[in-house]
Amino acid sequence: DAGVIQSPRHEVTEMGQEVTLRCKPISGHNSLFWYRQTMMRGLELLIYFNNNVPIDDSGMPEDRFSAKMPNASFSTLKIQPSEPRDSAVYFCASSFVGGTGTETQYFGPGTRLLVL
Amino acid sequence: GNSVTQMEGPVTLSEEAFLTINCTYTATGYPSLFWYVQYPGEGLQLLLKATKADDKGSNKGFEATYRKETTSFHLEKGSVQVSDSAVYFCALGSGSNDYKLSFGAGTTVTVRA
Repeated sequence: DAGVIQSPRHEVTEMGQEVTLRCKPISGHNSLFWYRQTMMRGLELLIYFNNNVPIDDSGMPEDRFSAKMPNASFSTLKIQPSEPRDSAVYFCASSFVGGTGTETQYFGPGTRLLVL
Repeated sequence: GNSVTQMEGPVTLSEEAFLTINCTYTATGYPSLFWYVQYPGEGLQLLLKATKADDKGSNKGFEATYRKETTSFHLEKGSVQVSDSAVYFCALGSGSNDYKLSFGAGTTVTVRA
């Protein structure tokens, strides 16, 4: 099992540039989550998809952030334009939400983003 | 809404010491409870979970029991190793379908040889 795959693992960019983070969930999982982790704010849920549909995006910080899931095996998180305060580790996680409801989320290795 | 509070760190221990990390929760319904571990430079990994009251989750020598009466899910290990140095997160499911997890702030544990 390949696990959740994220790319790139590290990204350094300059303020104002567009950043695109990518995620491939575990095959067969129907739910995908994007998190952001910082020292100041801990682990924050940004957005959650179920069956490729965004269900809860209340954690998306502002309009500069957008996320898509065009199919069951791929999702992107885009920041445009990026700002230094967006520097963080971004995690993608996937799970299967089914009848029992008690499903584990599996996390990718994360993308470390630094905006200069 | 659902929330979880866990013991603040950092925690520093000697090898073979006993480890306890406290976690308490506030929830409606009957949510599942989880402990995740994050090793340096890696993503979070599920350590153990419990899905109903009085369930005990266990893995790699760690244990936690779902205590509904005290709304707690404390993590314990009888004899820690240097390799247990990591950040530990307590997490709470939503109770309805558990798709949304509420994470604690994390507790950094360092084990010295």
